Amino acid sequence: AQKITQTQPGMFVQEKEAVTLDCTYDTSDPSYGLFWYKQPSSGEMIFLIYQGSYDQQNATEGRYSLNFQKARKSANLVISASQLGDSAMYFCAMSLFGNEKLTFGTGTRLTIIP
Amino acid sequence: DARVTQTPRDKVTEMGQEVTMRCQPILGHNTVFWYRQTMMQGLELLAYFRNRAPLDDSGMPKDRFSAEMPDATLATLKIQPSEPRDSAVYFCASGSGQGQTSTDTQYFGPGTRLTVL
Repeated sequence: AQKITQTQPGMFVQEKEAVTLDCTYDTSDPSYGLFWYKQPSSGEMIFLIYQGSYDQQNATEGRYSLNFQKARKSANLVISASQLGDSAMYFCAMSLFGNEKLTFGTGTRLTIIP
Repeated sequence: DARVTQTPRDKVTEMGQEVTMRCQPILGHNTVFWYRQTMMQGLELLAYFRNRAPLDDSGMPKDRFSAEMPDATLATLKIQPSEPRDSAVYFCASGSGQGQTSTDTQYFGPGTRLTVL
């Protein structure tokens, strides 16, 4: 069974600073994908970024990047130049190749301070 | 702008009543998922379809919950009879189903907030 661990229940970060949200995962399967989703106070789940287990380079999407350290089984999300609109819950999740159901972590509530 | 749609967005009902939630996946997507989000349990998978066939409903209480895909553009989640512990946000998500050699990104609908009194 897969497991996702997010150890930071909440974080406060000054606007314009970079922020790293931690995520570790556990699986014995070598073929998997890692995802980050954002859930603002309005409640919707917004896909941010994806990293495949065989991808050689870290994924990037605009201000989001995923710091993928396979040996350590970590997939931290880095947000550069944080903005007030980044305040939200952030969920790390994973699924296996051929079995797309997502296993989620407990989330990190990020608050950006003006 | 392709999106997953869900109806209703909010539902308040009394214990014992039947509740039906509907989802329209993104056109062309062949995988559909139902998740439930609560404060205590977080996000958990209830059911998962590929090409309209159920693949996994192990997370769903079988005695009261049922999930179907009458056609490729509609997925339903039904609770009968509803109980207060079913109060949660129910999300539908869809993906393009890459098969054995990859995994696909799931795009979520806005959710249905269910309150059972």
